[in-house]
Amino acid sequence: AQSVAQPEDQVNVAEGNPLTVKCTYSVSGNPYLFWYVQYPNRGLQFLLKYITGDNLVKGSYGFEAEFNKSQTSFHLKKPSALVSDSALYFCAVRDIGNNNDMRFGAGTRLTVKP
Amino acid sequence: DSGVTQTPKHLITATGQRVTLRCSPRSGDLSVYWYQQSLDQGLQFLIQYYNGEERAKGNILERFSAQQFPDLHSELNLSSLELGDSALYFCASSVGGVSQSNEQFFGPGTRLTVL
Repeated sequence: AQSVAQPEDQVNVAEGNPLTVKCTYSVSGNPYLFWYVQYPNRGLQFLLKYITGDNLVKGSYGFEAEFNKSQTSFHLKKPSALVSDSALYFCAVRDIGNNNDMRFGAGTRLTVKP
Repeated sequence: DSGVTQTPKHLITATGQRVTLRCSPRSGDLSVYWYQQSLDQGLQFLIQYYNGEERAKGNILERFSAQQFPDLHSELNLSSLELGDSALYFCASSVGGVSQSNEQFFGPGTRLTVL
């Protein structure tokens, strides 16, 4: 069965600095990988996804993520963090060979300080 | 605004009771997903429907059931409620189909409190 891990519960960065939110996954086949963001009292919002092709995926609000098959990772990055990026970030994986249910990581709380 | 609507926003009930949560997907989306979010369990996938039929099942308890109607709205029924069922319940929708590469769009959630 597929699984996804977000090793950091909390990430703190200063505004203007680059940020990275880590995600590793485990699937039996090929993965579909997603990043979502959740602001307080809101549902999750889609940021970006990797399906196939270029390992570097660009998404909403200046975020990007790099698919690394050998390290089974899909880290979320942004070159310059904003205070408004502070939120809960979820990585998710869908195993193409499985019964198509989506597995979410536990979430990483990103705090960007001015 | 994702285009996915959920009602009610808040629900307070007692143990042993039964409740129904409702979800309307984005226009054109055929798949509906239900998730439970709690502090200790994180975000748990419950069940997916595609065009009225069950497509995938996750960690859904036997006390819970769902269905998707011909107009594509979905309902999640929770019965014999326990204190531990208190959580945020999210509905999401996607275009769906054979390819499962489509992103999901989440509703604002229903906060269920069981007293």
